[in-house]
Amino acid sequence: KQEVTQIPAALSVPEGENLVLNCSFTDSAIYNLQWFRQDPGKGLTSLLLIQSSQREQTSGRLNASLDKSSGRSTLYIAASQPGDSATYLCAVAQGGSEKLVFGKGMKLTVNP
Amino acid sequence: SQTIHQWPATLVQPVGSPLSLECTVEGTSNPNLYWYRQAAGRGLQLLFYSVGIGQISSEVPQNLSASRPQDRQFILSSKKLLLSDSGFYLCAWATWDRGASEQYFGPGTRLTVT
Repeated sequence: KQEVTQIPAALSVPEGENLVLNCSFTDSAIYNLQWFRQDPGKGLTSLLLIQSSQREQTSGRLNASLDKSSGRSTLYIAASQPGDSATYLCAVAQGGSEKLVFGKGMKLTVNP
Repeated sequence: SQTIHQWPATLVQPVGSPLSLECTVEGTSNPNLYWYRQAAGRGLQLLFYSVGIGQISSEVPQNLSASRPQDRQFILSSKKLLLSDSGFYLCAWATWDRGASEQYFGPGTRLTVT
């Protein structure tokens, strides 16, 4: 059974820092991995999708990498801003399945 | 562009009352549709998913049911709510296109059972 872990559960940093958010999964037979952002009381916003054949994806100040063999993905946030404060979730899609398995998320607070 | 709607945004219902939450998607056809529940401290739990009209897969045995009467409409229901049904309900859609599948979420419904 696939399990997705995000550690730490919460992180508080000063504005301007470069951040690395971690995601690990137990079964490397994934179809793709998706990073989401959730603001309090809101739905999830898709940030980046990495297919299993890709190593990384970039969007603006965000860069996500995928290492299937080690069961890890990282989300890199450059020059963090207070507006980046949110909960970040990663999720993996198993090969042959149309379902996502989610981590419990990491709550990020960027202090001005 | 694609849009996903959920209503109502918030709902307060007494224990034992019925429930109907609706989700509709615009701008795509034959999507996979999903219902999730997010409870405090428990993460995101997949409740139901559907790959087509009338095709529903249940992930967790519980007090809820789902239906898909039209291609882009997904409904979550209960005949009698329990206190444990309280939570934030999210609908999502995905299509398998050119080898990629990306899920997109609606704004959610906050349900409080009193």
